[in-house]
Amino acid sequence: EDQVTQSPEALRLQEGESSSLNCSYTVSGLRGLFWYRQDPGKGPEFLFTLYSAGEEKEKERLKATLTKKESFLHITAPKPEDSATYLCAVRGGSTLGRLYFGRGTQLTVWP
Amino acid sequence: DVKVTQSSRYLVKRTGEKVFLECVQDMDHENMFWYRQDPGLGLRLIYFSYDVKMKEKGDIPEGYSVSREKKERFSLILESASTNQTSMYLCASSSSGSGNTIYFGEGSWLTVV
Repeated sequence: EDQVTQSPEALRLQEGESSSLNCSYTVSGLRGLFWYRQDPGKGPEFLFTLYSAGEEKEKERLKATLTKKESFLHITAPKPEDSATYLCAVRGGSTLGRLYFGRGTQLTVWP
Repeated sequence: DVKVTQSSRYLVKRTGEKVFLECVQDMDHENMFWYRQDPGLGLRLIYFSYDVKMKEKGDIPEGYSVSREKKERFSLILESASTNQTSMYLCASSSSGSGNTIYFGEGSWLTVV
């Protein structure tokens, strides 16, 4: 069964303190690993898709990387507005397009 | 921009009522999904549809049904609402390519009293 585990569950950072979020996955025939940001009371907002080991993508202070077993979301010099829950999801080869989600990492950045 | 619109942001219903949650997407996507999200449990797939009038059960279909009569619209139906169905419901859509992104609506908060 396809599975996704995110760690840590919660992370508190001071503004400017860089860190990484982890997403470990087990999937048959990866067809994409997805990162989303979710603000309280809102739907998930798409950030990145990664398709193959070694791939990296960047957006402002965020950089996502992928290996054969895990993905990292690196946050460089975070700001309070980066506070949110970050969700990781994978799509396998035989799942008719559905995603399997991790439970998320709740990030709080304080000034 | 992709737009997934959920018709109701906040609903309060009584136990036993029939509840309809409506979702419309404007990007001609083939796939549509209904998830529910609960604290500590993450997003769980209820039903999805990969074509008009087609549906597939997700991980937690019990107590729910869906309808997809038109490509752009996907409805979630609670035949007889119960208090354990109090949750945030998220609709999503994607095109049919295997690596394509799923886009979410803003969510519908349902409280069953």
